[in-house]
Amino acid sequence: QQQVKQSPQSLIVQKGGISIINCAYENTAFDYFPWYQQFPGKGPALLIAIRPDVSEKKEGRFTISFNKSAKQFSLHIMDSQPGDSATYFCAAVISNFGNEKLTFGTGTRLTIIP
Amino acid sequence: EAGVTQFPSHSVIEKGQTVTLRCDPISGHDNLYWYRRVMGKEIKFLLHFVKESKQDESGMPNNRFLAERTGGTYSTLKVQPAELEDSGVYFCASSQHNEQYFGPGTRLTVT
Repeated sequence: QQQVKQSPQSLIVQKGGISIINCAYENTAFDYFPWYQQFPGKGPALLIAIRPDVSEKKEGRFTISFNKSAKQFSLHIMDSQPGDSATYFCAAVISNFGNEKLTFGTGTRLTIIP
Repeated sequence: EAGVTQFPSHSVIEKGQTVTLRCDPISGHDNLYWYRRVMGKEIKFLLHFVKESKQDESGMPNNRFLAERTGGTYSTLKVQPAELEDSGVYFCASSQHNEQYFGPGTRLTVT
């Protein structure tokens, strides 16, 4: 079964708007939650990440909101730009003595229109 | 610094044939991971090397898949014999500590 559920599958946002992608997980052993950004022809690249001891992390226009009790986390992209058009993956990790295997969501294809 | 490289970028083979994918990690990275994304689904973990040793191969789908990492440097993933359901994009990632750096992937199509 899918351990990390991601929605929506695709998202179209106007330039300057806010893009919001949501993820939910079941396994409470997950203790690290990264977001990856992937452009066509490239591999996923780490965008921003959060640990469950904080409820929010902000880096520039990108913010992760984390709700531990609901087992949900989301990515907010403020002032969305055409260059943000990409596929975004949420992921979760059980930190395990150097084995940091990623459990991914299904991805969200984000398109920013002018 | 060179990133993670993968070869080939695309491979089209017939069912029953053998294919070998190669990954060259970032120099000095002890950890090497293989993942696979089947069309429209999530990227799934296959296995993890620490240097030349398999640390976790719990994601390998079956014994048609064989991964090796010679001398703790580059890694190969062999599929023999290939089946239709093996089609997808195979990613390799390497890390020294927490952050994993991904290669561009190999798109495998089995016809």
